[in-house]
Amino acid sequence: KQEVTQIPAALSVPEGENLVLNCSFTDSAIYNLQWFRQDPGKGLTSLLLIQSSQREQTSGRLNASLDKSSGRSTLYIAASQPGDSATYLCAVNSGYALNFGKGTSLLVTP
Amino acid sequence: DAGITQSPRHKVTETGTPVTLRCHQTENHRYMYWYRQDPGHGLRLIHYSYGVKDTDKGEVSDGYSVSRSKTEDFLLTLESATSSQTSVYFCAISESTGSGELFFGEGSRLTVL
Repeated sequence: KQEVTQIPAALSVPEGENLVLNCSFTDSAIYNLQWFRQDPGKGLTSLLLIQSSQREQTSGRLNASLDKSSGRSTLYIAASQPGDSATYLCAVNSGYALNFGKGTSLLVTP
Repeated sequence: DAGITQSPRHKVTETGTPVTLRCHQTENHRYMYWYRQDPGHGLRLIHYSYGVKDTDKGEVSDGYSVSRSKTEDFLLTLESATSSQTSVYFCAISESTGSGELFFGEGSRLTVL
């Protein structure tokens, strides 16, 4: 069974800092990896999707990388803002559905 | 935003009563999923559908059933709700399995007393 781990579980940074969220998975036989954002009481918003053949994807201030062989992905957030405060979830697709990590709760302080 | 509507958004019910949650999509995506989200467990797959009348079990399917009679609707039924089924339920859709991107609804918060 695919196990997905996210470190750290919680992170607090001052506004303007660049930061990295980590995701690791146990089985490298994946189709893709997806990063989501979840605000309190809300659904999941897709941020980036990386196919297994890709090394990274970028959207605005976000950059996600994938190293399939080592079972790792990182989400880089540049110049963090208070509006980036949310829980970030990593999910791995190894077949018919996604396996999720438990998320990193990010707080960006003004 | 993907056109996914979940109903009801909030429900309080009593142990032993049947409950049905509905997911409606306007994207004509083939694949639909039901997940539950619980503190300490993250999101876990309950059931999924790969077409009309085609469904299969996920990781935590016990106590749940699903039906999909039309492409746009995917129903999740708790035949006899228990307190352990108190959770937030999310519907998701995808155009394709494997390479497809998943899009989620806003969730349905169910409390079983």
